Amino acid sequence: QSALTQPASVSGSPGQSIAISCTGASSDVGGYDYVSWYQQRPGKAPKLILYDVNIRASGISSRFSGSKSGNTASLTISGLQADDEGIYYCASYTRTKGLDVFGGGTRLTVL
Amino acid sequence: EVQLVESGGGLVQPGGSLRLSCGASGFTFSSYWMNWVRQSPGKGLEWVAKIKQDGSEIFYVDSVKGRFTISRDNAKKSLYLRMNSLRVEDTGVYYCVRALQFLDRYLDLWGRGTLVSVSS
Repeated sequence: QSALTQPASVSGSPGQSIAISCTGASSDVGGYDYVSWYQQRPGKAPKLILYDVNIRASGISSRFSGSKSGNTASLTISGLQADDEGIYYCASYTRTKGLDVFGGGTRLTVL
Repeated sequence: EVQLVESGGGLVQPGGSLRLSCGASGFTFSSYWMNWVRQSPGKGLEWVAKIKQDGSEIFYVDSVKGRFTISRDNAKKSLYLRMNSLRVEDTGVYYCVRALQFLDRYLDLWGRGTLVSVSS
C-alpha cells in the first residue's frame, strides 16, 4: 500500500483538461512543498514532469501544471493529447522516512 | 550521449544475492546524488536507496536495510547495489537514477532498468 493515494485511473478527450490528485498527510504532502510528478509511458522509464509542487522540469510543456491544497497535491494537464497517455506518479518528501515516497500511480487514458 | 545503463539483474532463489551495476556517460557523474528505484511487476515505484556525491551520506528504504548496500566509484562513473538475503518481494525492475543537481530529491535521468526475479 503506497504512502500517497492517487486515483487508479482518469480519462479525457483530446483538447480537454484533466486533474490527478495525490493525497498524503501533514507529515508529507501537507507539510512541505516537495511534491513532484512523473510520467511513465508503456515500456519506458519514468520521466520527471514537475517538482517543488509546480516547477516544470526541463523541456516540459506549459500544458502541465501543479498545485497543492492542504494534504492534497494535484497535477493538471490542459489541451489533452494522445501522447499524454501513460501512468502518472506523484512523490513527496516525508519527515517520517529517509527517502521520499511515491503514490500508487494513475493511469491516464485519452479517449 | 547522456545515459545510464544498468546490468546484473537475473533470476535468483530466495536468500540469494545479486550485484547490480550502473554505468554513467555524458555527464559529470561525481557531481550528482545517485539512486536506485524499483518497480514491482504491475505495481508502482519504490525508492530503494540513494547516495551522495562522495558517498558520505546514504539512505535506504526500511524494507532493505541490513540487506542491500549502495555504493559508487566516481573514477569508473559507476553505481552499484549489492543485494543479499533476497526475498520474493524484492522482485522487480531496478532503475539507476540520477537526481537533479542541487535538488537531490528529484529524479531527472533514468536508466532503462534491469529485471531482478526472486523465485524458487
